[in-house]
Amino acid sequence: EIVLTQSPGTLSLSPGERATLSCRASQSISTDYLAWYQQRPGQAPRLLVYGTSTRATGIPDRFSGSGSGTDFTLTISRLESEDFAVYYCQQYGYSRTFGQGTKLEIK
Amino acid sequence: EVQLEQSGAEVKKPGESLRISCKASGYNFKNYWINWVRQMPGKGLEWMGRIDPSDSYTDYSPSFQGHVAISVDKSINTAYLQWSSLKASDTAMYYCATGLDSSGFPFDYWGQGTLVTVSS
Repeated sequence: EIVLTQSPGTLSLSPGERATLSCRASQSISTDYLAWYQQRPGQAPRLLVYGTSTRATGIPDRFSGSGSGTDFTLTISRLESEDFAVYYCQQYGYSRTFGQGTKLEIK
Repeated sequence: EVQLEQSGAEVKKPGESLRISCKASGYNFKNYWINWVRQMPGKGLEWMGRIDPSDSYTDYSPSFQGHVAISVDKSINTAYLQWSSLKASDTAMYYCATGLDSSGFPFDYWGQGTLVTVSS
């Protein structure tokens, strides 16, 4: 089973700042099969990015994904108040697994 | 409009059985896998398994194999997650999700979740 490790566990930033979230896989995965999800309190997760760097429908361009091999990154260029949430990476190339999540909180 | 409508919250006792449902609409149900995802209180997302509605083929995470059963009734576009004997540790929110994008089928549609509480 592929294990995804996200860092940091919690990220404290202010609106307007840039957020960089990391996802490391226990073995190399295809860039075609790495996704990021956002989960706000009390809501179901929402797909943000898939195929490492393709934004899902309706996702603003301040969200961007990058990476390859075992290291992947989600970047939020300028944080807005609604971006403070928990973010999960997921691989869907070998079965499916999620990372443990990064909580993005207001500083 | 694609929708996944899940059944309502459940409160059960340890040892009881339970089946929760996920009714799909707005797309061709038989063509896309339905996945189930667990979220324990205050914790992260865990992929449990999935089912191909066209032939009921299932694929389980090793962590959940043998503990739950996923099934489908394609005549009513509904997938199910079932337990034969619940434990307190099954207390969680359960989501169904599907992916319609052919580039690997990430989970672009989610149900609203079903909260299962198991307590004596």
